[in-house]
Amino acid sequence: QKEVEQDPGPLSVPEGAIVSLNCTYSNSAFQYFMWYRQYSRKGPELLMYTYSSGNKEDGRFTAQVDKSSKYISLFIRDSQPSDSATYLCAMSAEMASSASKIIFGSGTRLSIRP
Amino acid sequence: GAVVSQHPSWVICKSGTSVKIECRSLDFQATTMFWYRQFPKQSLMLMATSNEGSKATYEQGVEKDKFLINHASLTLSTLTVTSAHPEDSSFYICSARGDSGALLGVQETQYFGPGTRLLVL
Repeated sequence: QKEVEQDPGPLSVPEGAIVSLNCTYSNSAFQYFMWYRQYSRKGPELLMYTYSSGNKEDGRFTAQVDKSSKYISLFIRDSQPSDSATYLCAMSAEMASSASKIIFGSGTRLSIRP
Repeated sequence: GAVVSQHPSWVICKSGTSVKIECRSLDFQATTMFWYRQFPKQSLMLMATSNEGSKATYEQGVEKDKFLINHASLTLSTLTVTSAHPEDSSFYICSARGDSGALLGVQETQYFGPGTRLLVL
């Protein structure tokens, strides 16, 4: 079993729809949770960063972490064609240590239809 | 802030040659840099972790003599693919994590470079 599971998609939704992206994980030591957006042939760009459980909102993006279920989500409201990209969840147990690693999900390819 | 650059952005080389990729943190000091490889439609695979002034730590299955990593300063790390072969063709991405400090905001996370696409013929 992978440490982080993410549905690869592709996921196609019409413009304006609410998008829900999810990841599950198995390591209960994970405390730091991130979502990255990666456009084709580009490096990942940090979108959201959450520590422990709870919600975090930034504009049209909301990140949720449910540590009891080992489940994290990213919601995109009022989706735009420019949101079309691959979204990678990522998590880590200890960010402050130089030995800590970030474990990435496989990424979900999202396409927003105009 | 928190900008990471990579050079070159793409490179084509003949089999058997060596290729050097540079990763620079432009506006912060990166105590730790990471090198990833990404094959088409797959996620990032960590190759190695390097700390400034010390030897890199390689992930299992990554040949340290083939992928030479140098992190000589707090703003520069290099990855050299030695004697490259077609199976080394991939998208190589570096990331950098800074020292504690307000500059980064989310100070402990990693910021990624734009990647280098390598094609070995």
